[in-house]
Amino acid sequence: AQRVTQPEKLLSVFKGAPVELKCNYSYSGSPELFWYVQYSRQRLQLLLRHISRESIKGFTADLNKGETSFHLKKPFAQEEDSAMYYCALSGSGNTGKLIFGQGTTLQVKP
Amino acid sequence: DADVTQTPRNRITKTGKRIMLECSQTKGHDRMYWYRQDPGLGLRLIYYSFDVKDINKGEISDGYSVSRQAQAKFSLSLESAIPNQTALYFCATSDLASGSSYNEQFFGPGTRLTVL
Repeated sequence: AQRVTQPEKLLSVFKGAPVELKCNYSYSGSPELFWYVQYSRQRLQLLLRHISRESIKGFTADLNKGETSFHLKKPFAQEEDSAMYYCALSGSGNTGKLIFGQGTTLQVKP
Repeated sequence: DADVTQTPRNRITKTGKRIMLECSQTKGHDRMYWYRQDPGLGLRLIYYSFDVKDINKGEISDGYSVSRQAQAKFSLSLESAIPNQTALYFCATSDLASGSSYNEQFFGPGTRLTVL
């Protein structure tokens, strides 16, 4: 079964501290993984996708197929990073469907 | 700017009432989706549509129905609302690039529905 698990409901760190939001997935084929973010009073929006291997707003995420993980990392958290973060999986077959994890609220304290 | 809009933004209704949530988009995307968001459960897919004639159930379609009136409009109906349908509902669109399985979904602002 396809599943995305984000084990932490809330992650609270101080400004300048490193951040790692965990995401594990279950999928038998070759998935595409994404991180979406929802800032306060804003829409859910794409943050980054594994196929681009990009860094957005200082965040990176590496797909680890052996550990079936796609953790989101940032070396130095900023207060403006406070938001809800969702990990999502898209399976093969061009269905366009996304399976979302439960979400992790990141709180960056001053 | 091309956009995804949802109406109403907030709705309070009573058990047993019929409710329709509407989604419109000016992005020109073929694919549209309805999700519900519940605390601790994330977003779960209710229905999705690849074009006007192609509508598919998602993981939690029971108690819901949809209508794709045009490429730009995708409505979600609760025929007889019940309290556990109280949630935040999101519409999203995507446009699958030819030859690629990647697609980014663009979300509306959400509709907060409360069923008393």
